[in-house]
Amino acid sequence: DQQVKQNSPSLSVQEGRISILNCDYTNSMFDYFLWYKKYPAEGPTFLISISSIKDKNEDGRFTVFLNKSAKHLSLHIVPSQPGDSAVYFCAAIEGYNFNKFYFGSGTKLNVKP
Amino acid sequence: DVKVTQSSRYLVKRTGEKVFLECVQDMDHENMFWYRQDPGLGLRLIYFSYDVKMKEKGDIPEGYSVSREKKERFSLILESASTNQTSMYLCASSNRGRTEAFFGQGTRLTVV
Repeated sequence: DQQVKQNSPSLSVQEGRISILNCDYTNSMFDYFLWYKKYPAEGPTFLISISSIKDKNEDGRFTVFLNKSAKHLSLHIVPSQPGDSAVYFCAAIEGYNFNKFYFGSGTKLNVKP
Repeated sequence: DVKVTQSSRYLVKRTGEKVFLECVQDMDHENMFWYRQDPGLGLRLIYFSYDVKMKEKGDIPEGYSVSREKKERFSLILESASTNQTSMYLCASSNRGRTEAFFGQGTRLTVV
């Protein structure tokens, strides 16, 4: 049973508008969350992260929001650019020394020019 | 720059062959991971290692084994390749604690 879920397999957004990617998790022991971006035929690259002691983290055009009570996080991209078109994975970490990363199934974002 | 290097970008193997996928990282990371990526299933953990010679099963270890004889190298072994192991294989490494994992470029394995 997947502990990290991304229920939208795809999202299409116009260039310049906001992209919102969502992620839900079930394990209350997760305390660190990450977003990765993946282009075809490449490995995922780290985008942004958030600790469970925060509810928001910003880095340029990217903002991650965490709602612990709802076990939900989201990634906002503003403004969206065609180069943002990729598959986005959310991930959560369990454990500290021997941390395991759990990934969602991914959301394919298409930003139309 | 952190570098995780996988030995092959593309591989084609025959059913029943023993397959070795190699991964090397240059950042002295304690943790190393092997994932496979399949459409609609995301990244699924096969095995991970938190130290030399130490390994833990992930969510889908059946049909796979691993070896970590040196800190920088983590090998994935398909004991007897089958067509359902056709997939994109991704190696990653990380430090301990609350930090990101760094991925290699992936190996697209096709078993025929």
